[in-house]
Amino acid sequence: NSKVIQTPRYLVKGQGQKAKMRCIPEKGHPVVFWYQQNKNNEFKFLINFQNQEVLQQIDMTEKRFSAECPSNSPCSLEIQSSEAGDSALYLCASSLDYEQYFGPGTRLTVL
Amino acid sequence: GDSVTQTEGLVTLTEGLPVMLNCTYQTIYSNPFLFWYVQHLNESPRLLLKSFTDNKRTEHQGFHATLHKSSSSFHLQKSSAQLSDSALYYCALSQNNYAQGLTFGLGTRVSVFP
Repeated sequence: NSKVIQTPRYLVKGQGQKAKMRCIPEKGHPVVFWYQQNKNNEFKFLINFQNQEVLQQIDMTEKRFSAECPSNSPCSLEIQSSEAGDSALYLCASSLDYEQYFGPGTRLTVL
Repeated sequence: GDSVTQTEGLVTLTEGLPVMLNCTYQTIYSNPFLFWYVQHLNESPRLLLKSFTDNKRTEHQGFHATLHKSSSSFHLQKSSAQLSDSALYYCALSQNNYAQGLTFGLGTRVSVFP
């Protein structure tokens, strides 16, 4: 069973508001991923980190999304100005090798 | 870029019957990793199977799949479906790099009825 912790489980924001969610990866897993799962259950990779450094990020995350994974602190994903289209389940995953283990997700609703 | 195709959006079947979910992929990399994840209602995805070895069958919890690089396929099969198998199933691809983000297919919803 996955030991990835995500908080909060549910987040409700108005359009234009900031939305911040956190992730604690499994102990010893150096790589952390963020995915967005939309209402049609489609997955989109957003960004990943290895030992606090960004490895890859898609264009979307370079504009309104910011993320960090400081040492000895939870990783975080923040949307600077939420839009209705950001409503989705945000999943954090961590990996030690080729297997990614997902947390329970943060369900963001933007009103 | 990479892509994964799952041809069935919904599969409905009666308990005890066999099930097969199709997965094909496209990638320029010669050694991709293929995965099947299962997501039950209101849960997060859980790894079901993985493979990077051509023509080798991998099995877990009654499910099995074989990676065929010649046809770029990684179909999921089970000989006898159970009610508890009702879930979303995702095929996913990773390049030969453990830090690579996964490319998911659109998923197949499996509904098993008594």
